[in-house]
Amino acid sequence: DAMVIQNPRYQVTQFGKPVTLSCSQTLNHNVMYWYQQKSSQAPKLLFHYYDKDFNNEADTPDNFQSRRPNTSFCFLDIRSPGLGDAAMYLCATSRDRKTGISYNEQFFGPGTRLTVL
Amino acid sequence: GEDVEQSLFLSVREGDSSVINCTYTDSSSTYLYWYKQEPGAGLQLLTYIFSNMDMKQDQRLTVLLNKKDKHLSLRIADTQTGDSAIYFCAEIYRNRDDKIIFGKGTRLHILP
Repeated sequence: DAMVIQNPRYQVTQFGKPVTLSCSQTLNHNVMYWYQQKSSQAPKLLFHYYDKDFNNEADTPDNFQSRRPNTSFCFLDIRSPGLGDAAMYLCATSRDRKTGISYNEQFFGPGTRLTVL
Repeated sequence: GEDVEQSLFLSVREGDSSVINCTYTDSSSTYLYWYKQEPGAGLQLLTYIFSNMDMKQDQRLTVLLNKKDKHLSLRIADTQTGDSAIYFCAEIYRNRDDKIIFGKGTRLHILP
């Protein structure tokens, strides 16, 4: 089945120790998104890729970086995790960013829950 | 303030109807969405409504849109235990390059 896969599902890291979360998709979608979701909060968009075009949200800290080496894979790098970065990180894909015609359904992975010690 | 607002909790008896309400801010939104998140899973698109519609029905789900008041609701008829989840209202925010803005989610709890 076509899907969005995130690994690992649970990640524990130490304060200040770099960590990488991964996302892969078999949907062949153009757009890939990374969201941060804290408890009882809305998913907050960190950045997205439209093909190889990287789009950073204005309020995303520099501590968060992303790589998309090919259509299928996208990585979230947290260079120096702080306690406030503990959250669920959701990856999503969609077929096209421009929604004038399509309803821009985003397909989500199950998320990676990050704990910072 | 928040772009999309919804209450955080709703408890409903099994078999009754659930109504989850949402208000949004961007009057130019073309699509409004309801996403469902089950425990340990990502968000899944449940239904959506185009902004020129007032109502959309899909089996047990009814979406009502009041554009004047920027109010969106999701009604689940004959609520089942499998409907227990967090429901996120979301809008396309046209002034932010078609970014989808999510509400904080309403946790639906089913009482026996």
